[in-house]
Amino acid sequence: QKEVEQDPGPLSVPEGAIVSLNCTYSNSAFQYFMWYRQYSRKGPELLMYTYSSGNKEDGRFTAQVDKSSKYISLFIRDSQPSDSATYLCAMRLLLGRLYFGRGTQLTVWP
Amino acid sequence: KAGVTQTPRYLIKTRGQQVTLSCSPISGHRSVSWYQQTPGQGLQFLFEYFSETQRNKGNFPGRFSGRQFSNSRSEMNVSTLELGDSALYLCASSLRTSGGGWETQYFGPGTRLLVL
Repeated sequence: QKEVEQDPGPLSVPEGAIVSLNCTYSNSAFQYFMWYRQYSRKGPELLMYTYSSGNKEDGRFTAQVDKSSKYISLFIRDSQPSDSATYLCAMRLLLGRLYFGRGTQLTVWP
Repeated sequence: KAGVTQTPRYLIKTRGQQVTLSCSPISGHRSVSWYQQTPGQGLQFLFEYFSETQRNKGNFPGRFSGRQFSNSRSEMNVSTLELGDSALYLCASSLRTSGGGWETQYFGPGTRLLVL
């Protein structure tokens, strides 16, 4: 079993839809939870991170962490065609390396 | 501030050859991590270098090696290439301060390696 599981999709939604992306994990010691966005032919860029449990909002993006269920989510409101990318969840212990999900490919069509 | 740069961007090699990839971190960043990205496995951690020393290592065979120079630039080497080594190789840099606090890892655009 991989440490971080993420459905690769693909996911295709119309412009303006609410998008829900999620990951599950097995290591209860993870402390930092991140979402990266990767456009084609580019490296991943950090969207948001959360420390421990809870919610975090940044504009149209909301990240949620439920440590009791070992489940994290990213919600995108009012999705735009420019949001079309691969979204990667990642996690980290207090120190050390990142553990990534496989990524979910999202397409938002006009 | 310039981002993480990786060279070359694209590379074609044949089985059995070796390859060296280069990564220049953001100025002032002292840690460099390398990842392999494939459609089937996603992003897999190779190793991390800090102060010219390997600090963490993923589950890759010894054919994969790296090093870091005093200016924090890093190189990754793959010897005896196999078809399965075809992938996007990404490097990421961070400040790597002590204490376990948050640090953003900034990724380069990657080197796409094709092994024929």
